[in-house]
Amino acid sequence: SQQGEEDPQALSIQEGENATMNCSYKTSINNLQWYRQNSGRGLVHLILIRSNEREKHSGRLRVTLDTSKKSSSLLITASRAADTASYFCATDIYNQGGKLIFGQGTELSVKP
Amino acid sequence: KAGVTQTPRYLIKTRGQQVTLSCSPISGHRSVSWYQQTPGQGLQFLFEYFSETQRNKGNFPGRFSGRQFSNSRSEMNVSTLELGDSALYLCASSLIASGSRTDTQYFGPGTRLTVL
Repeated sequence: SQQGEEDPQALSIQEGENATMNCSYKTSINNLQWYRQNSGRGLVHLILIRSNEREKHSGRLRVTLDTSKKSSSLLITASRAADTASYFCATDIYNQGGKLIFGQGTELSVKP
Repeated sequence: KAGVTQTPRYLIKTRGQQVTLSCSPISGHRSVSWYQQTPGQGLQFLFEYFSETQRNKGNFPGRFSGRQFSNSRSEMNVSTLELGDSALYLCASSLIASGSRTDTQYFGPGTRLTVL
């Protein structure tokens, strides 16, 4: 079964707006990662946040992690049409090296 | 550095056949993981190899197998193909070699397998 549940499943916004995606998970983690996938291609790593971190930034991306609620959010600010893609959260569980458990993903559409 | 490469990119097979997919990791990466992506089940972990040893395995039948060579290149094999095996198969390599945690994974473009 999937570890992560993402919300919303689909999101449609205008260019320049912010996009927020949420991820919840079930078991304790080492870290949580976010990936982007363009139209059935390979995944691109966006950001990794460790279990002892609460917030992390990378360019227009901001990720938060709340381990007490077992949840994370990804914020993309000032979105662009090129941000249109599917976004996945993935959790790394202790003692299962090499294995990421992915959520179902959020399909983001940014309209010019 | 070259990224993760996967061959072939597209494959069409018929039920009952077998297939071998190949993955070349980023130079210096010794951990290679495989995932299956389908519209219904999403992204699911198949197995992970490090130094030619399978360290972790997902919940897939024995028809799915893999191996890793001394140069870290990896192959996965699916025998007796079923219609439900149609999927995008992704491999990912990682620099960090710990058996207890997973750091950033770098994904290849995938092999799109269609089973008729």
